[in-house]
Amino acid sequence: QKEVEQDPGPLSVPEGAIVSLNCTYSNSAFQYFMWYRQYSRKGPELLMYTYSSGNKEDGRFTAQVDKSSKYISLFIRDSQPSDSATYLCAMTHKGGYQKVTFGTGTKLQVIP
Amino acid sequence: NAGVMQNPRHLVRRRGQEARLRCSPMKGHSHVYWYRQLPEEGLKFMVYLQKENIIDESGMPKERFSAEFPKEGPSILRIQQVVRGDSAAYFCASSPGSGRATDTQYFGPGTRLTVL
Repeated sequence: QKEVEQDPGPLSVPEGAIVSLNCTYSNSAFQYFMWYRQYSRKGPELLMYTYSSGNKEDGRFTAQVDKSSKYISLFIRDSQPSDSATYLCAMTHKGGYQKVTFGTGTKLQVIP
Repeated sequence: NAGVMQNPRHLVRRRGQEARLRCSPMKGHSHVYWYRQLPEEGLKFMVYLQKENIIDESGMPKERFSAEFPKEGPSILRIQQVVRGDSAAYFCASSPGSGRATDTQYFGPGTRLTVL
């Protein structure tokens, strides 16, 4: 079993839709959670970062963490064609340095 | 403000040759991480380095792979005697230097290695 599970998609939605992206994890030592966006043939870029259960909002993006269920989500409101990319969830252990464990990524396509 | 730089962006090698991948971290960053991305497998941690020190190489294959981050110059990921299974995208990331779990990593554009 992988430490981090993420549905690879692809996920196709119409422009303006609300997108929900999810990851589950098995290791309760993970305490810090991130979402990266990766455009085709580019490096990942950090979108959101959180370390506590609950919601964190940044513009059209909301990250949600439920540590009791070992489940994290990223919501994108009013999705745009420019949001079309692969979204990677990522997490690190409490303390120590940032050895990041990534999900496999969900490919999202927003159709105009 | 230049981001993380990697070169070459594309590298083609024949089986048995050596591959050298370079990474220049963001200005002011002293911590470097290397990841490998295979199709459908996501990013896998390989090694974490500080200047002149390898901190964690637990993700590196035991043979043929090595990494360094000298006092001067870029970090180098070296793959000796490449095989077809080494074909992948290799990403470098850098962080400011606390090394803590809350230290944000910034990724470079990657080097795509193709082994013929």
